[in-house]
Amino acid sequence: AQSVAQPEDQVNVAEGNPLTVKCTYSVSGNPYLFWYVQYPNRGLQFLLKYITGDNLVKGSYGFEAEFNKSQTSFHLKKPSALVSDSALYFCAVRDMNTGNQFYFGTGTSLTVIP
Amino acid sequence: DGGITQSPKYLFRKEGQNVTLSCEQNLNHDAMYWYRQDPGQGLRLIYYSQIVNDFQKGDIAEGYSVSREKKESFPLTVTSAQKNPTAFYLCASTPQPRGGSEAFFGQGTRLTVV
Repeated sequence: AQSVAQPEDQVNVAEGNPLTVKCTYSVSGNPYLFWYVQYPNRGLQFLLKYITGDNLVKGSYGFEAEFNKSQTSFHLKKPSALVSDSALYFCAVRDMNTGNQFYFGTGTSLTVIP
Repeated sequence: DGGITQSPKYLFRKEGQNVTLSCEQNLNHDAMYWYRQDPGQGLRLIYYSQIVNDFQKGDIAEGYSVSREKKESFPLTVTSAQKNPTAFYLCASTPQPRGGSEAFFGQGTRLTVV
């Protein structure tokens, strides 16, 4: 079965500090992995994705994520957090071989403290 | 501009009424999806459609119905059989039913039962 786990419901970080939002996944085949951000009462905005190749992927707004196959993880990172990064973040996975569905985590609420 | 348009943004439903949520895309995408979002539960798939005149149930299809008569349109009807319809509903699309493309999301419809 395909699934995504975001173990932290809430992450707080001081402005200017590095941030990490954690994601682990489970798929039967090889994964496509995605990160999205959601602001209140809005749809999801795409940040970045891992398809194949380099394990470190860079995306919008200075975010990056590292694919770790052995740990089945895809943690989202940013070197220096901004107050405007405060939002809800979702990790998603799609099975490369069978995937016609996206499986989403339950989301992590990020608060950047000025 | 290309994108996905959901309407209305807010919708109020009386007990026992059916309501229809609109989703239109001008991205020429083949696949479309409906998700329900509840606090702390992430996104749960209601229905998806890989091609015109075809759709499949997702994880929580009971009490919902869809149609896909045109490529650009994928309306969702919340029927009176859905016991707890109050939620945020998100429509999404991808260029193909499978593969590494990210999903593109609309801005959502917030449905409230009054």
